[in-house]
Amino acid sequence: DTGVSQDPRHKITKRGQNVTFRCDPISEHNRLYWYRQTLGQGPEFLTYFQNEAQLEKSRLLSDRFSAERPKGSFSTLEIQRTEQGDSAMYLCASSPQTEYEQYFGPGTRLTVT
Amino acid sequence: GQNIDQPTEMTATEGAIVQINCTYQTSGFNGLFWYQQHAGEAPTFLSYNVLDGLEEKGRFSSFLSRSKGYSYLLLKELQMKDSASYLCAVRDVGGSYIPTFGRGTSLIVHP
Repeated sequence: DTGVSQDPRHKITKRGQNVTFRCDPISEHNRLYWYRQTLGQGPEFLTYFQNEAQLEKSRLLSDRFSAERPKGSFSTLEIQRTEQGDSAMYLCASSPQTEYEQYFGPGTRLTVT
Repeated sequence: GQNIDQPTEMTATEGAIVQINCTYQTSGFNGLFWYQQHAGEAPTFLSYNVLDGLEEKGRFSSFLSRSKGYSYLLLKELQMKDSASYLCAVRDVGGSYIPTFGRGTSLIVHP
């Protein structure tokens, strides 16, 4: 396994458009996390899945954001009606049930113009 | 909630030793992480402390004092490739195991 992968790596979109990002975790990892990171800040938690169940969602996550993990494997994060403030790096991480370490993907850099 | 504080930026000389501090306030404590993040790349795991004391792993060591809400990451024999952001993250008690990250300390190593 080559680690956590994310697609696309870069996305430029116009304000008001919808975007969807995909994350493929390490295959045996049942926990999956989405974070957002802006320049000079640490990763900010967005949402967490254990298998296909979305167990936690940040209060900072507006209703324009939705995430799914339909079969407990890959996950998608959709942002509707994008705003310039959504410009950031979106990071996905996964971990197995028995470990504390999170393995991060390379991220998707979103630019909203 | 959690409050994590670490210096914004530090500089050091190649071959030297540097200590990056992290203080935190949390309603419950269930572990502290250090991650390294090179510019434009994903964070990579360095260390995890849940008990007081020093954990050594090669050139990197991490220390924790739970009573003081304090940790440090010690980097020895600095190399140019150690120039990166170092993120301190704290996990609260509870079942979700989700760490909260600090803003990170940007370390610049110069010759």
